[in-house]
Amino acid sequence: DAKTTQPTSMDCAEGRAANLPCNHSTISGNEYVYWYRQIHSQGPQYIIHGLKNNETNEMASLIITEDRKSSTLILPHATLRDTAVYYCIVRVMNRDDKIIFGKGTRLHILP
Amino acid sequence: EADIYQTPRYLVIGTGKKITLECSQTMGHDKMYWYQQDPGMELHLIHYSYGVNSTEKGDLSSESTVSRIRTEHFPLTLESARPSHTSQYLCASSEFGRETQYFGPGTRLLVL
Repeated sequence: DAKTTQPTSMDCAEGRAANLPCNHSTISGNEYVYWYRQIHSQGPQYIIHGLKNNETNEMASLIITEDRKSSTLILPHATLRDTAVYYCIVRVMNRDDKIIFGKGTRLHILP
Repeated sequence: EADIYQTPRYLVIGTGKKITLECSQTMGHDKMYWYQQDPGMELHLIHYSYGVNSTEKGDLSSESTVSRIRTEHFPLTLESARPSHTSQYLCASSEFGRETQYFGPGTRLLVL
């Protein structure tokens, strides 16, 4: 699986859009970008995934650059409950293997 | 909404005791996982299973063992608990052919 690079931490004001970047410059053509988050003391929670088109669901939007070497997770109106560690993971769909979680980005939503 | 359960949620136990952490899911998922996570640190995969009678060791060496006798059940056992086993243990499951993992609430273990 391709390696990802994320900032260690970020701050965002409550009510603003939180934009979390992820670099995956070695991504291959059949690898998807997945995002999970982990709120303090809880298990990680799936947010969204995509291959090359931008994706949106009730939680977030995922913007993938045209060359697929980076992506941005967007939380459109961040709330205090969005304070969490956000993990960007790149892997092949349908691969019968485990997911490796990296260090992620610690997002602090400020009141 | 995922239906994956872990018991107990919190456990304080003395050194040398045998413990079993329970994990159950009602989604019929074939794949199940155990992760270990210390506070503020990364998740580390310690065991996984592709289905009944399948168990594999993860990336982090662990003295724990697992079994998978039933699809819905994936217990983790420590034969003799030690203070170094103090951590949070997270169980997850996923459907075969799909990469989304669903996590349980975790078990916080403290070994005195």
